[in-house]
Amino acid sequence: KAGVTQTPRYLIKTRGQQVTLSCSPISGHRSVSWYQQTPGQGLQFLFEYFSETQRNKGNFPGRFSGRQFSNSRSEMNVSTLELGDSALYLCASSATGELFIGAKNIQYFGAGTRLSVL
Amino acid sequence: AQSVTQLDSQVPVFEEAPVELRCNYSSSVSVYLFWYVQYPNQGLQLLLKYLSGSTLVKGINGFEAEFNKSQTSFHLRKPSVHISDTAEYFCAVRFGTSYGKLTFGQGTILTVHP
Repeated sequence: KAGVTQTPRYLIKTRGQQVTLSCSPISGHRSVSWYQQTPGQGLQFLFEYFSETQRNKGNFPGRFSGRQFSNSRSEMNVSTLELGDSALYLCASSATGELFIGAKNIQYFGAGTRLSVL
Repeated sequence: AQSVTQLDSQVPVFEEAPVELRCNYSSSVSVYLFWYVQYPNQGLQLLLKYLSGSTLVKGINGFEAEFNKSQTSFHLRKPSVHISDTAEYFCAVRFGTSYGKLTFGQGTILTVHP
């Protein structure tokens, strides 16, 4: 079974541009969560999608947005890039996304997209 | 407030020595606890999890952790480390009222010296 796939692996953008990152979850998984990892702030939750609906959101500005498609693939978009947006962006998928966690509802992570903003 | 604290940012240890990486959390709701490992330029790999039941859980690569509810801790242990265990380790908590969100500690860099 293929794991979580994130594309592209590396991106270089300049300030003011926008960027779209893609995440394909494990087959059959319906919940997708996004995280930002930086040396200073560590791993921070961006948002979670389930059945094309955003159910939870972290404390990030509105420049960060996402969506989920009917096949559970997800994209996140960052508009008007700032230098501080340089980070590793990680996507995680889980089977059901229920509040109660059973073995089927554990988050599995992709390798990430490393975004550099110049 | 809900939070996760990893008490050591870096832990150096010699090969074949035991190691403990410490994690404490603060919560007024139910919790689910995880340890993930991250190797350079890679994503996060699940080491082990506590969902319910026995408080001593075993994971991959010989790691184990014990959930202590009274001390709100979930420390990771390995009796004998290898060079290949050199990586960054993250404690993560899913608080029972939050969809799809893991709250991570700041990470502990484990360096195993020969």
